[in-house]
Amino acid sequence: AQTVTQSQPEMSVQEAETVTLSCTYDTSENNYYLFWYKQPPSRQMILVIRQEAYKQQNATENRFSVNFQKAAKSFSLKISDSQLGDTAMYFCAFMRDTNAGKSTFGDGTTLTVKP
Amino acid sequence: DGGITQSPKYLFRKEGQNVTLSCEQNLNHDAMYWYRQDPGQGLRLIYYSQIVNDFQKGDIAEGYSVSREKKESFPLTVTSAQKNPTAFYLCASSIDGNPLYGYTFGSGTRLTVV
Repeated sequence: AQTVTQSQPEMSVQEAETVTLSCTYDTSENNYYLFWYKQPPSRQMILVIRQEAYKQQNATENRFSVNFQKAAKSFSLKISDSQLGDTAMYFCAFMRDTNAGKSTFGDGTTLTVKP
Repeated sequence: DGGITQSPKYLFRKEGQNVTLSCEQNLNHDAMYWYRQDPGQGLRLIYYSQIVNDFQKGDIAEGYSVSREKKESFPLTVTSAQKNPTAFYLCASSIDGNPLYGYTFGSGTRLTVV
């Protein structure tokens, strides 16, 4: 079974600065997908960024980028130029290539952006 | 706008009572999922369905039941057999269960036992 670990229950960052959220996972699979989801105080989960394990290039979506280290089974999220609207809980998730789309989620990191 | 609608937003259940959480999507997605979220924990999979009239148990299916009679709808019933149902429930969907696109989530239902 896959496990996903987010070792930072809470983090904070000053507005306009950069913050990195960590995620590690354990799997024996070679093909899989990794995701970061954002859950703001409204509780609506939103997909932030995705990474396909067979791609070496790190995914980027505007201010959000990942550092994917397949050998180390690490998948960190970097948020640049942090904004107050980035305040949310962030979940790392793992999905096997062929598993009916079922995901395994980490316990989340609560990020607070301070003005 | 396409999306997933969960209702109600808040639900209160008495001891021994069954309650049903609604999840409707107009995204034409084949696959739908129910997750449970407890404070300080990640999401845990309750049930999932890849196609109409078919569904599978997830990691914590005991005390829950589902149906998938229509592509758009995937209601979750929390039965009296679920001993600790107080939680936040999230419904999600994906295109053909294709992992490439991740999930689209509903806005959730907060269930409280009174």
